[in-house]
Amino acid sequence: TQLLEQSPQFLSIQEGENLTVYCNSSSVFSSLQWYRQEPGEGPVLLVTVVTGGEVKKLKRLTFQFGDARKDSSLHITAAQPGDTGLYLCAGVRVSNYQLIWGAGTKLIIKP
Amino acid sequence: GAGVSQSPRYKVAKRGQDVALRCDPISGHVSLFWYQQALGQGPEFLTYFQNEAQLDKSGLPSDRFFAERPEGSVSTLKIQRTQQEDSAVYLCASSLRHPSTNEKLFFGSGTQLSVL
Repeated sequence: TQLLEQSPQFLSIQEGENLTVYCNSSSVFSSLQWYRQEPGEGPVLLVTVVTGGEVKKLKRLTFQFGDARKDSSLHITAAQPGDTGLYLCAGVRVSNYQLIWGAGTKLIIKP
Repeated sequence: GAGVSQSPRYKVAKRGQDVALRCDPISGHVSLFWYQQALGQGPEFLTYFQNEAQLDKSGLPSDRFFAERPEGSVSTLKIQRTQQEDSAVYLCASSLRHPSTNEKLFFGSGTQLSVL
């Protein structure tokens, strides 16, 4: 069974601080996607990383795919209250391109 | 419509009742997925359709769960004889093409099912 371990499960920090969320697996993925989900809504895709070692930036968010395509991280610089939400990683399986989801990181940024 | 639409948004059912959840994907999208999401957790895969063909139903938790997409557009997820453990948010997602490395999924807002 392919698993994607996401950590931390919960993070509450002050506005302006930096943070990193991790997704780790023992399995290789075709690509890895990061989503953000607001209460009462479905997940919204933020980014897809495809190549081992790839780094993508989305304003204050930096996404990295591990060299071996087994792990990924999301780093937020100078967090803002608007960054509050549930962040989910999802690995795309090599065999059939279905998504394997992490359990999510609930992020709260306090003003 | 502009996005994936799910109805109803909320459903309360008595244990043992049957329920039907509807998903209207983005027009023209080939792939349609159903997921189950417990509170504060990631989605769990239920089933996948490519057009009208149900290609993967390995995630359906029991034979009480049934999904269909008869004309390759609207899909219905039916749960028979609901149990309390069926309480969750049921998410529908669609994508333009079949799954691939870089294919983008668009999610609906979900149906929150509460079984009393």
